[in-house]
Amino acid sequence: GAVVSQHPSWVICKSGTSVKIECRSLDFQATTMFWYRQFPKQSLMLMATSNEGSKATYEQGVEKDKFLINHASLTLSTLTVTSAHPEDSSFYICSARADQDYSNQPQHFGDGTRLSIL
Amino acid sequence: GDSVTQMEGPVTLSEEAFLTINCTYTATGYPSLFWYVQYPGEGLQLLLKATKADDKGSNKGFEATYRKETTSFHLEKGSVQVSDSAVYFCALSSKTSGSRLTFGEGTQLTVNP
Repeated sequence: GAVVSQHPSWVICKSGTSVKIECRSLDFQATTMFWYRQFPKQSLMLMATSNEGSKATYEQGVEKDKFLINHASLTLSTLTVTSAHPEDSSFYICSARADQDYSNQPQHFGDGTRLSIL
Repeated sequence: GDSVTQMEGPVTLSEEAFLTINCTYTATGYPSLFWYVQYPGEGLQLLLKATKADDKGSNKGFEATYRKETTSFHLEKGSVQVSDSAVYFCALSSKTSGSRLTFGEGTQLTVNP
């Protein structure tokens, strides 16, 4: 149980393109979803936290207009990288948690999306 | 604020060797502690967790005990396999951090046949 599906797994596109990444919880309802960015050989950097039906909370230094997050349902969150440039190339990972009781509920992660901007 | 410190890698072992990856933390109150594993090109998988002091999390031969007195959550496995080669992340969540996970830097483990 607790499967999170992330799509696509790999994207290569031209500079200036907008890219949408989907994160779905397949067998549970995700009250909260998280978006991370990971650089090679580094830990995960939290970009934003989204709760279903409300605006995402972005971490300091993350551009809200650049990284648009929508959490329209309890099973789907999307991250759109707008007007992507080569410096946005990275590995993006989403995670989901079932409810507000963070103390006992781990986050469940998708398999990540490797974004390459040419 | 909350923080997690992991032993620096990379760690290279021979198959069937004993594994320890150290993890210590700083947090206010009583955090929940997790170990996640990341295989190449993939997301993170929950390996084990512990939510209160003296709890022992275990899974697939891996174990970690929540030690409040030493603020540690070291990962151990008695006999590693080549398939255990991956990056291991220690993490915590606490009321101070809200709903966020605080990660350590990750430890790369390579197991040679």
